[in-house]
Amino acid sequence: QKEVEQDPGPLSVPEGAIVSLNCTYSNSAFQYFMWYRQYSRKGPELLMYTYSSGNKEDGRFTAQVDKSSKYISLFIRDSQPSDSATYLCAMTGFGYQGGKLIFGQGTELSVKP
Amino acid sequence: GAVVSQHPSWVICKSGTSVKIECRSLDFQATTMFWYRQFPKQSLMLMATSNEGSKATYEQGVEKDKFLINHASLTLSTLTVTSAHPEDSSFYICSARAEGSGGTDTQYFGPGTRLTVL
Repeated sequence: QKEVEQDPGPLSVPEGAIVSLNCTYSNSAFQYFMWYRQYSRKGPELLMYTYSSGNKEDGRFTAQVDKSSKYISLFIRDSQPSDSATYLCAMTGFGYQGGKLIFGQGTELSVKP
Repeated sequence: GAVVSQHPSWVICKSGTSVKIECRSLDFQATTMFWYRQFPKQSLMLMATSNEGSKATYEQGVEKDKFLINHASLTLSTLTVTSAHPEDSSFYICSARAEGSGGTDTQYFGPGTRLTVL
């Protein structure tokens, strides 16, 4: 079993839709949870991070962490064609990204105009 | 945010040759850099952790004699793929750790280098 599981998609939605992306994990030591966006042939770009359980909102993006269920989510409201990319969840047990990051497989999202 | 560059962005080489990839933190110093490998439609897999002035720490299953890492300065780490073979063709991505206060270190990723071995 992988430490982090993420549905690879692809996920296709119409413009304006609400998108829900999810990851599950098995290691209870994970404390910091991140979401990255990766465009084709580019490096990952940090979108959101959350420490421990809870919600965090930034514009159209909301990250949720439920440590009791070992489940994290990223919601994108009013999705735009420019949101089309691969979304990777990542997590680490210490030092907010300073340590070893474990990535999910990535979900490929396509937002159709 | 901080910027990390990689060079080259794309390289094609013949089987058996060696290829060097550079990772630079442009506007901050990074005592630690990370090298990842990513196959098409797959996740990033950490290959090694590069520490300035000391030997790199390799992940299990990564051949340290094949993937040579040098972190000679606080802004530069290099990955050399020695005697490259077609199975080494992949997307190589580095990240550099910027230290923050209160344990808020952040990793910034480079744009990646696509290696194709013929």
